[in-house]
Amino acid sequence: AQSVSQHNHHVILSEAASLELGCNYSYGGTVNLFWYVQYPGQHLQLLLKYFSGDPLVKGIKGFEAEFIKSKFSFNLRKPSVQWSDTAEYFCAVNFKAAGNKLTFGGGTRVLVKP
Amino acid sequence: DVKVTQSSRYLVKRTGEKVFLECVQDMDHENMFWYRQDPGLGLRLIYFSYDVKMKEKGDIPEGYSVSREKKERFSLILESASTNQTSMYLCASSSDPAKGYEQYFGPGTRLTVT
Repeated sequence: AQSVSQHNHHVILSEAASLELGCNYSYGGTVNLFWYVQYPGQHLQLLLKYFSGDPLVKGIKGFEAEFIKSKFSFNLRKPSVQWSDTAEYFCAVNFKAAGNKLTFGGGTRVLVKP
Repeated sequence: DVKVTQSSRYLVKRTGEKVFLECVQDMDHENMFWYRQDPGLGLRLIYFSYDVKMKEKGDIPEGYSVSREKKERFSLILESASTNQTSMYLCASSSDPAKGYEQYFGPGTRLTVT
């Protein structure tokens, strides 16, 4: 079965530190890739997405992600975090062979200390 | 902007009660989804629908059913609520294939079954 893994369940870091969240998926076929964020008390919203083209994609709020096809990975990065980046982050994959569904990773809770 | 609304933010029900969760989207999307969100497990797909009166089981359909009588509305039904169905329930709708099936989420309903 197709699956999505996020390596870290919890990350704690200080403001201005760099952030990298790992995401790997199980399937070698064609995929569309997403990172969603859920700020405390808010609904999930899209950070960025990759369908094709340049494997380095930029999203909102200074986030970027790199698709490495050979590693089945789509890691999320931010060079310098702020307290307002405290949130839960979810990687999601549309496995094209599975149609119109998304498969989500388990999420990573990020706490940025001021 | 896409808007997905859910009928309640918080709900408390007793074991054995029948529970209805409603979701409405205003963007004429074909696809709609129901997930439950639990700590450490990410989002797990319960049911989805790709057209009016059409439904497909997701990964964890047991104990749930759905109804889609109109394109904009997708209901999740707990026939006989149990304590292990205490969770956050998220509804989503998705856009066309050109956007890679990007999903838009509602604010969630936190259901407590006592």
